[in-house]
Amino acid sequence: GAGVSQTPSNKVTEKGKYVELRCDPISGHTALYWYRQSLGQGPEFLIYFQGTGAADDSGLPNDRFFAVRPEGSVSTLKIQRTERGDSAVYLCASSLTASGRDTQYFGPGTRLTVL
Amino acid sequence: DAKTTQPPSMDCAEGRAANLPCNHSTISGNEYVYWYRQIHSQGPQYIIHGLKNNETNEMASLIITEDRKSSTLILPHATLRDTAVYYCIVRVDNYGQNFVFGPGTRLSVLP
Repeated sequence: GAGVSQTPSNKVTEKGKYVELRCDPISGHTALYWYRQSLGQGPEFLIYFQGTGAADDSGLPNDRFFAVRPEGSVSTLKIQRTERGDSAVYLCASSLTASGRDTQYFGPGTRLTVL
Repeated sequence: DAKTTQPPSMDCAEGRAANLPCNHSTISGNEYVYWYRQIHSQGPQYIIHGLKNNETNEMASLIITEDRKSSTLILPHATLRDTAVYYCIVRVDNYGQNFVFGPGTRLSVLP
């Protein structure tokens, strides 16, 4: 079956611009997670959704970052006034439920480059 | 901070078993051991997970010591396509618990 998909696969933007990154989770998965991965490091947690609501946004680095999941399926990560330090691969994962026993399945990521 | 310690890199000959160690000496009773791998330019791929007992699936085997302070991921017959960064993660059995990734082990399978 279809896995987690993310678009675009690559995004190049200029410092100060606004970007949106999209995640399509596996059909039927109610929990959705966003992570960020800098070069040479493991992924770092940003935010997770259970259904439509952001249940834990403790990993968002600052208020320039925001994410939504209005219908409980597709999610969009939004970054305002981008900075060069925001350059990273942004990964999305979904799981059947938010139970700690459910495995998270990751998408291929969106590589964001801020010039 | 990640609760696991892994060697930064390992080599393995193609066709041989790859044994990747992981130390998690502070693991608590409700924490599972998960293994993911990440092939270059792809998202992390789930491999296997376990709590106490050894586990096996079509990809790998997971051996957890009796005291649960360490584990080993075994790829029985490594191929060149198994070259990747392998992450060992302990994750508490809580609702909505995210994964905390460390730097992982970079496995190179050599021809």
